Amino acid sequence: QQQVKQSPQSLIVQKGGISIINCAYENTAFDYFPWYQQFPGKGPALLIAIRPDVSEKKEGRFTISFNKSAKQFSLHIMDSQPGDSATYFCAAFLGGNSGYSTLTFGKGTMLLVSP
Amino acid sequence: SQTIHQWPATLVQPVGSPLSLECTVEGTSNPNLYWYRQAAGRGLQLLFYSVGIGQISSEVPQNLSASRPQDRQFILSSKKLLLSDSGFYLCAWRVLGSYEQYFGPGTRLTVT
Repeated sequence: QQQVKQSPQSLIVQKGGISIINCAYENTAFDYFPWYQQFPGKGPALLIAIRPDVSEKKEGRFTISFNKSAKQFSLHIMDSQPGDSATYFCAAFLGGNSGYSTLTFGKGTMLLVSP
Repeated sequence: SQTIHQWPATLVQPVGSPLSLECTVEGTSNPNLYWYRQAAGRGLQLLFYSVGIGQISSEVPQNLSASRPQDRQFILSSKKLLLSDSGFYLCAWRVLGSYEQYFGPGTRLTVT
């Protein structure tokens, strides 16, 4: 099963709060899990990514938590700011890094951080 | 450093007209190239990808085609646009052997 299920569809968080977006996958062959951030009218930008051999990766205010046994991973945005308001996509990469591998994306989460 | 360009940035075309969108990557050789479409408020749909010159894989059968005439150039085309072809078209690239995939700025296509 190639699907990646992302939740919630939309999220409103107060400034300074923690934003949490969750993704679940079925295929245990996925071996790379990136998150993308997309502002309106712009292309998605690679935000942070994790391999399944680690349980957590942190870059600044952004953290990926990875639960291999549950086949779930999540993005945490600490001290959320209005500038973080964007659509976030999780994704999973199948088949190592061969040329014929493609990303499987979740459907996206629209995050609004209220001032 | 690597950069990716897409043009035009916006395009308004009548139904039945042809289409040609171009994507060019600089600063790398033999990248994997991808075309995605994003409908308003929706997710990312992979349309085509290419692992080399002249090599195109289609993910979704539809009114569109893709070509890769040069190593770092990827073109999305249509002979006759449909209303349903409207959307935000994104080109992306990835270096073979790495995991990171990067998107271009996109082309907003409106078919009227």
